[in-house]
Amino acid sequence: SQTIHQWPATLVQPVGSPLSLECTVEGTSNPNLYWYRQAAGRGLQLLFYSVGIGQISSEVPQNLSASRPQDRQFILSSKKLLLSDSGFYLCAWSAGGREYDTQYFGPGTRLTVL
Amino acid sequence: GENVEQHPSTLSVQEGDSAVIKCTYSDSASNYFPWYKQELGKRPQLIIDIRSNVGEKKDQRIAVTLNKTAKHFSLHITETQPEDSAVYFCAASSMEYGNKLVFGAGTILRVKS
Repeated sequence: SQTIHQWPATLVQPVGSPLSLECTVEGTSNPNLYWYRQAAGRGLQLLFYSVGIGQISSEVPQNLSASRPQDRQFILSSKKLLLSDSGFYLCAWSAGGREYDTQYFGPGTRLTVL
Repeated sequence: GENVEQHPSTLSVQEGDSAVIKCTYSDSASNYFPWYKQELGKRPQLIIDIRSNVGEKKDQRIAVTLNKTAKHFSLHITETQPEDSAVYFCAASSMEYGNKLVFGAGTILRVKS
């Protein structure tokens, strides 16, 4: 069966510091991968999605970037964090390439920028 | 692009009563409609989904209905229990737009015992 991991689970960072969040998926190959952000008490905002290694699409222009160095690894980065970057970051995967494509979420990383 | 509206934003019901959450979508090309439940501090988890070639789907106390003509779909929870308290998100997607999910804003469901 498939498993999705995210780390770290929680992170407290000062404004202006860099960020690296990692997501890995096990038990599947060539998945679609997604990064979402959820502000406190709010909905799910799609940040990036990827259909393959090195293929990244950005949904919202901001100071964040994403990379997919390996088939089942998805990384979210920032060079300088802003206060507004605080939130719950969720990685998700789907099988891709099919008409009805279910997304499954990882456990999330709770980021607080001070 | 697709737009999904979800109502109500909050819903309080008495334990044992039914709860209904409604979503409307704008793009007739959308053909897949999942529902996610998110408990406080946890990840969203898929609870039920429906495809555009189906009008209704049930799984124990949960059911989803789809009206393609009116472009709306609803989540029905019967015999609600305190553990049903959570935020519920509807979503829509289509292959035409790369199967990206467009989410509703969420409904906070509180089941009072």
